[in-house]
Amino acid sequence: KQEVTQIPAALSVPEGENLVLNCSFTDSAIYNLQWFRQDPGKGLTSLLLIQSSQREQTSGRLNASLDKSSGRSTLYIAASQPGDSATYLCAVRKSGGSNYKLTFGKGTLLTVNP
Amino acid sequence: DAGVTQSPTHLIKTRGQQVTLRCSPKSGHDTVSWYQQALGQGPQFIFQYYEEEERQRGNFPDRFSGHQFPNYSSELNVNALLLGDSALYLCASSSTIGGLWNEQFFGPGTRLTVL
Repeated sequence: KQEVTQIPAALSVPEGENLVLNCSFTDSAIYNLQWFRQDPGKGLTSLLLIQSSQREQTSGRLNASLDKSSGRSTLYIAASQPGDSATYLCAVRKSGGSNYKLTFGKGTLLTVNP
Repeated sequence: DAGVTQSPTHLIKTRGQQVTLRCSPKSGHDTVSWYQQALGQGPQFIFQYYEEEERQRGNFPDRFSGHQFPNYSSELNVNALLLGDSALYLCASSSTIGGLWNEQFFGPGTRLTVL
């Protein structure tokens, strides 16, 4: 059974700081990994998707890396801003023909202080 | 280009009642998944619909059922509501067209409160 863990559960940083969020998964047989952002009481916004054959993806100030063999992914946020405050979730999709679901971690609650 | 839409936004029901939640996928998407997110937890997969059929189901009881219509929109039905069904229900859509990596896009969710 795939399990996804995100560390830390909460993180508070001053504005402008670079930061790294961590995600680990127990089964390395994945099809892809997605990072999401969730504002309080809202839906999920897709940030980055990494296919199992890729090592990293970048979008603006965000960079996500994937090390499938060790079951780890990181989300790097450069020059953090108060607007980045949200919960960040990672999710993996298991490989295999009939596996379509995403398995999520519990998320990291990020607070960026002005 | 409209994203994933869900209705209603909020819903309050009492134990034992039945509820229907609705989802319209992002334009061009043909697959709809439903997730349940309890407070402080990550979303849990309920099921996925493609070509009007359930093609994968998570660990949820038969009280949870769904439907997909020819226009790809979907409904989630929950019967005999329990207090523990109180959660944010999220709909996600994706495309089976090759090259789009099946990235899933989520709607704003329906907040269900069971009293």
